[in-house]
Amino acid sequence: EAQLLESGGNLVQPGGSLRLSCAASGFTFDRYAMSWVRQAPGKGLEWVSTISGSGGSTYYAESVKGRLTISRDNSKNTVFLLMNSLRAEDTAVYYCARAKVPTSRSWFHHYMDVWGKGTTVTVS
Amino acid sequence: QSVLTQPPSVSGAPGQRVTISCTGNSSNIGAGFDVHWYQQVLGTAPRLFIYGSDNRPSGVPDRFSVSKSGTSASLAITGLQAEDEADYYCQSYDSSLSDWIFGGGTKLTVL
Repeated sequence: EAQLLESGGNLVQPGGSLRLSCAASGFTFDRYAMSWVRQAPGKGLEWVSTISGSGGSTYYAESVKGRLTISRDNSKNTVFLLMNSLRAEDTAVYYCARAKVPTSRSWFHHYMDVWGKGTTVTVS
Repeated sequence: QSVLTQPPSVSGAPGQRVTISCTGNSSNIGAGFDVHWYQQVLGTAPRLFIYGSDNRPSGVPDRFSVSKSGTSASLAITGLQAEDEADYYCQSYDSSLSDWIFGGGTKLTVL
């Protein structure tokens, strides 16, 4: 069974840094792109970033460009989110999710079929 | 404010039929990008619920179905049950923003 487990969330001061990790198990990790999605308290879901299976391509939401960096270590089945220059509005639960491309469809049609339980980042 | 617009809440009595709309524009749903739906029960992580034209992961009952027309998509639930109570989110891709986008979410209440 495919599973994802996030860690690294914490309380951090504005302007500070944090690195989130997501450990994957139960599937061939490097065959899948991976994403981070966040949810601010009482709010909806917001896509943050996606990285291709090889790690060669990365994508970011405009709200985090230049401050957050996604990376992966396929030898350790782990994806990371390095968060710099944190702001109060970055306070959220951060979920790691596996990206699945539908058969015979392009990369842009992908959906997130496996989710972790999330890790909480509080900037205050 | 989300690019994909959903009603904040919908409700229905057990056994009834309800629909949740997801309205986009010509850069996302109207451009032909797939729409996917997620369910989030209070206090838990989201889970994939329906993807693409009408595909359900195992465990999702066929009381749930989706449709898509023009710049909008809908999730329909028939035979409403208490266990259906949750938040539902639609998701697609926007070529103008170059972002994957979520709707604002709809809270389904079973009366």
